[in-house]
Amino acid sequence: GQQLNQSPQSMFIQEGEDVSMNCTSSSIFNTWLWYKQDPGEGPVLLIALYKAGELTSNGRLTAQFGITRKDSFLNISASIPSDVGIYFCAGTYLTGNQFYFGTGTSLTVIP
Amino acid sequence: GAGVSQSPSNKVTEKGKDVELRCDPISGHTALYWYRQSLGQGLEFLIYFQGNSAPDKSGLPSDRFSAERTGGSVSTLTIQRTQQEDSAVYLCASSPQTTQYNEQFFGPGTRLTVL
Repeated sequence: GQQLNQSPQSMFIQEGEDVSMNCTSSSIFNTWLWYKQDPGEGPVLLIALYKAGELTSNGRLTAQFGITRKDSFLNISASIPSDVGIYFCAGTYLTGNQFYFGTGTSLTVIP
Repeated sequence: GAGVSQSPSNKVTEKGKDVELRCDPISGHTALYWYRQSLGQGLEFLIYFQGNSAPDKSGLPSDRFSAERTGGSVSTLTIQRTQQEDSAVYLCASSPQTTQYNEQFFGPGTRLTVL
């Protein structure tokens, strides 16, 4: 199936630094989701976006729905060790359709 | 609990055997999805159930894979004549699938190892 282009593939950062990752699609979406997956666990939903241009925060996390409807960004401010994990974006065209997932960004936070 | 549950959490089987993986979605969620995740990889869509509609089976990799959803709730993913390349984590997700809320919520997954 289709996969979204997610970058970077991996990141190694110092604790306290900010993180930015993005996801692009060749087609427009009307919903973007961001997930975090810890080892041995299922993905956990972080933020959901439903409107082009929408900027939504969840604690230190901020995500934006790109105005072209073909991309989304996730920012993490002041990273901490528990932010370590794999972050996935996901998008869909219409309610009732399947979701397409990014290839993931592996985040390592160095204390 | 209120979340998506899957069983078993781990399954080790011999090549050629059949396996069944179970998913209990969040109560009231009309949509249910199955994904496969190989080690270090992203999520590969397998199949999607929405209410009473015919399932979207477009992601099933071969005819050895099948899934059903009984009574619009519990789902079972069956893999017949398992092969070593079937080894992966199989994730289930459910969604309320209303016009306003479209989020998917994932279970913890079943780790399948085919020897």
